[in-house]
Parts: sequence; structure tokens; C-alpha cells
Amino acid sequence: SQQGEEDPQALSIQEGENATMNCSYKTSINNLQWYRQNSGRGLVHLILIRSNEREKHSGRLRVTLDTSKKSSSLLITASRAADTASYFCATDATGGFKTIFGAGTRLFVKA
Amino acid sequence: DVKVTQSSRYLVKRTGEKVFLECVQDMDHENMFWYRQDPGLGLRLIYFSYDVKMKEKGDIPEGYSVSREKKERFSLILESASTNQTSMYLCASSLVGRGLTNEKLFFGSGTQLSVL
Repeated sequence: SQQGEEDPQALSIQEGENATMNCSYKTSINNLQWYRQNSGRGLVHLILIRSNEREKHSGRLRVTLDTSKKSSSLLITASRAADTASYFCATDATGGFKTIFGAGTRLFVKA
Repeated sequence: DVKVTQSSRYLVKRTGEKVFLECVQDMDHENMFWYRQDPGLGLRLIYFSYDVKMKEKGDIPEGYSVSREKKERFSLILESASTNQTSMYLCASSLVGRGLTNEKLFFGSGTQLSVL
């Protein structure tokens, strides 16, 4: 059973546009994290937001968390061709060490 | 720089073989994980370990076992490989943060296993 599920499954945009990806989860969490994966490689951590935070920024990334709706969004502003990758949300359920990932959003940024 | 190393990038095995996937981290992290990644299914947790000789099942442990004899090494074992275990296997480690949670996982580059 997947804790996090991303939406959309795939997204294609022009360079310079903003990209928004959404994540929903099922149970109470300690934190939510976003990761990036370039084709066929390991995942790289982008940003973490704690359950008592509502918004967080890191460079061109903006993450929001709505615990009442059990959802999060990742916004990448002014996207670049190099942002082309898969993006995953991951959650740490309250009371455990299990980090569970969603199915991911494939982002394609056209130059 | 932080490093998680998986022993093989590509591996081809035959049905019924015993397969060992090795993972080593150099960051003194307590927690280590094994995931498998299949198209359209994302990452699914097979097993994780929060200390030496300690292990817990993830969401899909059937057909797998693990070993953690030393803090830096976490091995995934396929006792008798089957074709449905063909997949990308990803190892990760993490520090335990505030509230005893994982705050940042560091991943290896993955092992693409093909079982014929």
C-alpha cells in the first residue's frame, strides 16, 4: 500500500514555465520529502517539510503541505531543460522508520 | 561527500539462483533500506534496518531476506530468484532526525537485476 501518490503521472512544459506536482498520502506523518530521479539513477533529496509547517522554499522550489487534506504540492518555478526528471514524494508515517514513496511524476521540460 | 555504494550496476541471473545484492554506506547512518522500482509503481519498500542485526519488513518482503552484520553494510538476498523479481533495486541510508524520523535518504545508483 503506497502512502504517497503523485499527480499528474506525467507533465510536459516549455522552458521558463512553472511546474506543479501534487502528492496525496493516507496516514498521519512526521514529515514529507520530495526527491528527484534522473533517468535510471538513484534518487536525490530535494526538500523536507515537517508536519507542523505549511510552506517551505529552497531556490526555485516551493513546497506546501496541507495536513487536513493529507496533500502536498511541489512547485518548480522558471523551469529549465535540466529539470527534466521524475519527482517523488515520500512520507514518514508517525511512529516508525518506514519511508514510503509514491509512484512519481515524470516531468519533461522542452527547450 | 556522502556515499552509498551498490556492488553491481547490472546483474543477470537465472531462475532459481541465490542472489546477493550488496550495499555499503560511509556516513555512519543508523537506518538502511532496500527498495525495488518498477515502471508505474514507483519505489516499494522491501526491508529496512534501524540497527546492526535489526530488520523489519517493508511492504513487499516475500521472496527476499536481508542481512546487516555491520553498520555500514546492508545486503539483500533473493533465496531463489524468479522472473517477477526482475527490477531496479535501490539501496538507501538515512540519519535519524528529530522525533526519531528519517529526514533525508541517500541513495545508491541502483542495481538493474534481470532474472532469466
